[in-house]
Amino acid sequence: GAVVSQHPSRVICKSGTSVKIECRSLDFQATTMFWYRQFPKQSLMLMATSNEGSKATYEQGVEKDKFLINHASLTLSTLTVTSAHPEDSSFYICSVAVPGLAGYEQFFGPGTRLTVL
Amino acid sequence: GQNIDQPTEMTATEGAIVQINCTYQTSGFNGLFWYQQHAGEAPTFLSYNVLDGLEEKGRFSSFLSRSKGYSYLLLKELQMKDSASYLCAVKGSSNTGKLIFGQGTTLQVKP
Repeated sequence: GAVVSQHPSRVICKSGTSVKIECRSLDFQATTMFWYRQFPKQSLMLMATSNEGSKATYEQGVEKDKFLINHASLTLSTLTVTSAHPEDSSFYICSVAVPGLAGYEQFFGPGTRLTVL
Repeated sequence: GQNIDQPTEMTATEGAIVQINCTYQTSGFNGLFWYQQHAGEAPTFLSYNVLDGLEEKGRFSSFLSRSKGYSYLLLKELQMKDSASYLCAVKGSSNTGKLIFGQGTTLQVKP
């Protein structure tokens, strides 16, 4: 498996500011990580696939200029929410793809609760 | 398109058995996962099915019928700590590990 951490666990920011969320794979060198967003009482919605050393692949409807993803090393991917607005308030979860079941298995980080005032 | 359906909420009694259903329509199929998620926490892996049939793991079992696009998660001897959301997720492609999640079923276990 893989142990995944996220920082910060909670963040509150003012509307219009940018927030950076870190996702670290502590014991596995991850070429692929995923970023999800989860609104209250809803399921995980995949935002993008983060690829080490190359551009992220964004899902339809996700603004790549608003949600900047950087995967500069095999252990760290960052998600920056630029010019955050209250509607961006959500639970952001990352996961690491590890070879295993069905080709790759995902191990999830503990999540980051973002509140935009 | 891709579509995964689960009931939104279920309620069951401590000690009982509950079955959570999941139907899916996806372009490609390379396995179905069940995850448990407590409020404000990350999902944790419960089970994986890629072939038809029943996979049993302790109090939890998962069933898959690929021809029907159907799976269920069976929880036996329910405990209060089983109150959580249960997420059904389908892996469509074997190349990237990308998962498509259903909306999740919130299970409330009552005494």
